[in-house]
Amino acid sequence: DTEVTQTPKHLVMGMTNKKSLKCEQHMGHRAMYWYKQKAKKPPELMFVYSYEKLSINESVPSRFSPECPNSSLLNLHLHALQPEDSALYLCASSPSGGNGELFFGEGSRLTVL
Amino acid sequence: GNSVTQMEGPVTLSEEAFLTINCTYTATGYPSLFWYVQYPGEGLQLLLKATKADDKGSNKGFEATYRKETTSFHLEKGSVQVSDSAVYFCALSEGSYIPTFGRGTSLIVHP
Repeated sequence: DTEVTQTPKHLVMGMTNKKSLKCEQHMGHRAMYWYKQKAKKPPELMFVYSYEKLSINESVPSRFSPECPNSSLLNLHLHALQPEDSALYLCASSPSGGNGELFFGEGSRLTVL
Repeated sequence: GNSVTQMEGPVTLSEEAFLTINCTYTATGYPSLFWYVQYPGEGLQLLLKATKADDKGSNKGFEATYRKETTSFHLEKGSVQVSDSAVYFCALSEGSYIPTFGRGTSLIVHP
């Protein structure tokens, strides 16, 4: 099994809603990532978890709250988002000691009304 | 710091044409180099990689050679298909292993 699975694939939410994006991998990878991707742009790094601890936060607004409950799961909790937060949110994983190769999920398309 | 420069798209080709997408990089040491592909409505997937100078990565008819002397990793394919239409991202990784991505190049292949 070499997949990174993200749910939901599509999410529409209002600015006052609270929702979560979920990511799961069963490749034994110990690093997991959240990226944000706007149309026709490269992915922008948001957070990195290494061995279930947050190791990088790229100055992301607190309305995005990551969580890594165990080595296979990664969540992104969303609250009080703005319309400009509408984007494709990509989860990725990589093995420890790897060469930088990332394994991406198919993404969650978020629309904030 | 590290950076990746890709040619601006879109690149528009007819089926069976030859493809080159240019990628050059700046790095302080000896990075690994990658090409990722993103098909419409999907996430990124690794297309090919090279971890040291003069290595050639290849997959699905695509090739790229790690050229340290010209700091380049150009993507080529001899005969493109409509199904190759996608966005292609060049990336490098060094040290921290967090990759640096290029801007992406959109490829459109017409029948």
